[in-house]
Amino acid sequence: GEDVEQSLFLSVREGDSSVINCTYTDSSSTYLYWYKQEPGAGLQLLTYIFSNMDMKQDQRLTVLLNKKDKHLSLRIADTQTGDSAIYFCAEASPGSARQLTFGSGTQLTVLP
Amino acid sequence: DSGVTQTPKHLITATGQRVTLRCSPRSGDLSVYWYQQSLDQGLQFLIQYYNGEERAKGNILERFSAQQFPDLHSELNLSSLELGDSALYFCASSAGGLSGNTIYFGEGSWLTVV
Repeated sequence: GEDVEQSLFLSVREGDSSVINCTYTDSSSTYLYWYKQEPGAGLQLLTYIFSNMDMKQDQRLTVLLNKKDKHLSLRIADTQTGDSAIYFCAEASPGSARQLTFGSGTQLTVLP
Repeated sequence: DSGVTQTPKHLITATGQRVTLRCSPRSGDLSVYWYQQSLDQGLQFLIQYYNGEERAKGNILERFSAQQFPDLHSELNLSSLELGDSALYFCASSAGGLSGNTIYFGEGSWLTVV
């Protein structure tokens, strides 16, 4: 079965790094995604990683994948107040269908 | 702007009624997904279409149905509405197939059932 878990809350100071963690259980997943949701807004695709990769970097975002432990993390460098939002990780079903199973989301609060 | 367009943005309707939510995928995307986001269930996959054909079904109630038209836009029909159907309904699109790695979401349609 598929189950994605995230911690509910994270607070950091502006300028610090944020690390949001996620665990998943379906070892046959191929793609894992990070989305950002601001209040009253839709889901913004931040980045994704293929399950045969260990790391992916995109500007201030770094994704680390530990496939053995089924652990995914999103690091945001130099966190800004505009990064305050809910961050969702999601795993895609195997094959071309790409149905996503989402975690419950992590509320990131950036303190000035 | 993700390129996925959903209408209406907000909808208030009474129990027992029927509504239709509309989605236009990103240009060139063949695959359309529908998701429901509610406080108690979180984000749940409902159904997926690829080039007009149903590809996968998730936790979609029998009162709900969807279709994808030849121009690739999709509609989600919700009938016999109940209070518990109040939620944010998202449409997402991707190229589909094995190269469809990026999945973009629309802004969602807020449905309130009173």
